[in-house]
Amino acid sequence: GENVEQHPSTLSVQEGDSAVIKCTYSDSASNYFPWYKQELGKGPQLIIDIRSNVGEKKDQRIAVTLNKTAKHFSLHITETQPEDSAVYFCAAGGAGGTSYGKLTFGQGTILTVHP
Amino acid sequence: DGGITQSPKYLFRKEGQNVTLSCEQNLNHDAMYWYRQDPGQGLRLIYYSQIVNDFQKGDIAEGYSVSREKKESFPLTVTSAQKNPTAFYLCASSPRTGWNTGELFFGEGSRLTVL
Repeated sequence: GENVEQHPSTLSVQEGDSAVIKCTYSDSASNYFPWYKQELGKGPQLIIDIRSNVGEKKDQRIAVTLNKTAKHFSLHITETQPEDSAVYFCAAGGAGGTSYGKLTFGQGTILTVHP
Repeated sequence: DGGITQSPKYLFRKEGQNVTLSCEQNLNHDAMYWYRQDPGQGLRLIYYSQIVNDFQKGDIAEGYSVSREKKESFPLTVTSAQKNPTAFYLCASSPRTGWNTGELFFGEGSRLTVL
């Protein structure tokens, strides 16, 4: 089955700095790579995703890059703000056929943005 | 508003008792999922259902049971056979067609504590 490794487990930055979280996956058949943000006591919310037909996707201050050859993908947050503080999860899996929604998650990264 | 509703938010039970967690969605999604979250770990898939009256075991199904009698409902029973049931349980749903196929929409979670 799929195995997803996420690093670092904790990340502390100053407001305005950039933050980068990296994930590797094992199953070359995976073609859907979402990132979720989870605030304390709440369910995760999708912040950005990428599918295997693209290498990079950007949405305002958030970007995701994908390297299918090396089987890794990364989340980049620029100009961080205190409200970006949360737990971030990467995931890998299939987006179609019988495997849609069956995601394997990384262990999570606790991001703290200091004012 | 459309979304996923989980109840109860907090639940305390004694060892040896079965408990049922409720999950209802009004997003008209075909697929529904149950994930378990433990501190410092990613989300692990317990059971999933891609269509009414059908469901499949995930990675950690032992000690759990589900039913899918209606499209909008996917209750999870934590049985006394589950050796370590104290955890945060997350229900999710996913569309089967469309541009966001495979995207998981999560509920707010149910925290179960077994005393």
